[in-house]
Amino acid sequence: EPEVTQTPSHQVTQMGQEVILRCVPISNHLYFYWYRQILGQKVEFLVSFYNNEISEKSEIFDDQFSVERPDGSNFTLKIRSTKLEDSAMYFCASSEEDNYGYTFGSGTRLTVV
Amino acid sequence: GQNIDQPTEMTATEGAIVQINCTYQTSGFNGLFWYQQHAGEAPTFLSYNVLDGLEEKGRFSSFLSRSKGYSYLLLKELQMKDSASYLCAVPSGAGSYQLTFGKGTKLSVIP
Repeated sequence: EPEVTQTPSHQVTQMGQEVILRCVPISNHLYFYWYRQILGQKVEFLVSFYNNEISEKSEIFDDQFSVERPDGSNFTLKIRSTKLEDSAMYFCASSEEDNYGYTFGSGTRLTVV
Repeated sequence: GQNIDQPTEMTATEGAIVQINCTYQTSGFNGLFWYQQHAGEAPTFLSYNVLDGLEEKGRFSSFLSRSKGYSYLLLKELQMKDSASYLCAVPSGAGSYQLTFGKGTKLSVIP
């Protein structure tokens, strides 16, 4: 069964450093998303991406965040200057069309120290 | 905006039936989702309801009442592997692709 792949599975970074989280969506999917989940809290929407541009973004997705689809397969989330409160599980998801049949990746656990 | 309420935790016995409730308030209704999330893992899709009534899918069923802003997930013949969090989610509005999730209900299945 096709799956969304995320790397790395776990990343530890120092406060103030830049991190790039990587995702390979399912190959025929056109819509891409990033969500995050702080430990013990709910899953929160960050951003959606379609046709090489951001479709929607939440209040969490401030100027420190950016997304990119650098080639035909990867979808990345960059956090420019990490803060302690950015520590969370970050999930990438993709869907085939403008419906809600998301497939989530297994996540990257980001720990900012 | 969207607001979703679910019980925080539930415990049920292996082989039994459990009902996990979800109430929601949305500015415009575009369906309701249930996801399962095992600890430390990604959410996985269980069901999507857009019309009132019960939809059955194997051991799992989902019910929706739009007039009451209410849904439930029914799990039958519980198995130990069903121990997980169950997340209720609604789209944020017409034309929006983002989902607003509830805090989830942590279900513990005991022998």
